[in-house]
Amino acid sequence: GAVVSQHPSWVICKSGTSVKIECRSLDFQATTMFWYRQFPKQSLMLMATSNEGSKATYEQGVEKDKFLINHASLTLSTLTVTSAHPEDSSFYICSAVTSGGHEQYFGPGTRLTVT
Amino acid sequence: GENVEQHPSTLSVQEGDSAVIKCTYSDSASNYFPWYKQELGKRPQLIIDIRSNVGEKKDQRIAVTLNKTAKHFSLHITETQPEDSAVYFCAAGGGGANNLFFGTGTRLTVIP
Repeated sequence: GAVVSQHPSWVICKSGTSVKIECRSLDFQATTMFWYRQFPKQSLMLMATSNEGSKATYEQGVEKDKFLINHASLTLSTLTVTSAHPEDSSFYICSAVTSGGHEQYFGPGTRLTVT
Repeated sequence: GENVEQHPSTLSVQEGDSAVIKCTYSDSASNYFPWYKQELGKRPQLIIDIRSNVGEKKDQRIAVTLNKTAKHFSLHITETQPEDSAVYFCAAGGGGANNLFFGTGTRLTVIP
């Protein structure tokens, strides 16, 4: 149980375009989902926390107008990278927590390359 | 906010030896301390966690200790095997919003 999927697993886009990444909890309802960014050989950097039905809470230094997060249902959260630039190229990983739980279940990640 | 530091950044041990990874945290409100293992190109997998009301927890070859007064916690892997080779991350959180803040990671290499 507690499976989280992400789509797409990798994406290449041109500079200036927008990309949407989906994060789904497949067998449980996730009241809270998290979005992380991971650079090669580095740690996971928390970008934002999203709760179903409310606005996401962004970490300091993360532009909310650039990284749009929507958590419209208990099983789906989306991250849209708007007007992507090469420096946005990274590995984006989501995680989900069950109601009342602490353990975060991670998705497989999405590798974004902006050319 | 929470600041988690992790040492060492790389660790090489001979198969069968023990490995110890240490982390410190800054926010006294943190009460949940998980450890994740991440293999190359894969998602982080929870291997063990500990809560602030417990000082030590063990699961077969893996153990975690927590010193809440000193704000540090450690991962101990005994009888290491080549398949233990991976990057290990500690994290701290649980201060209400379930946010986790990760350490910088330790690349463990077990030499056969």
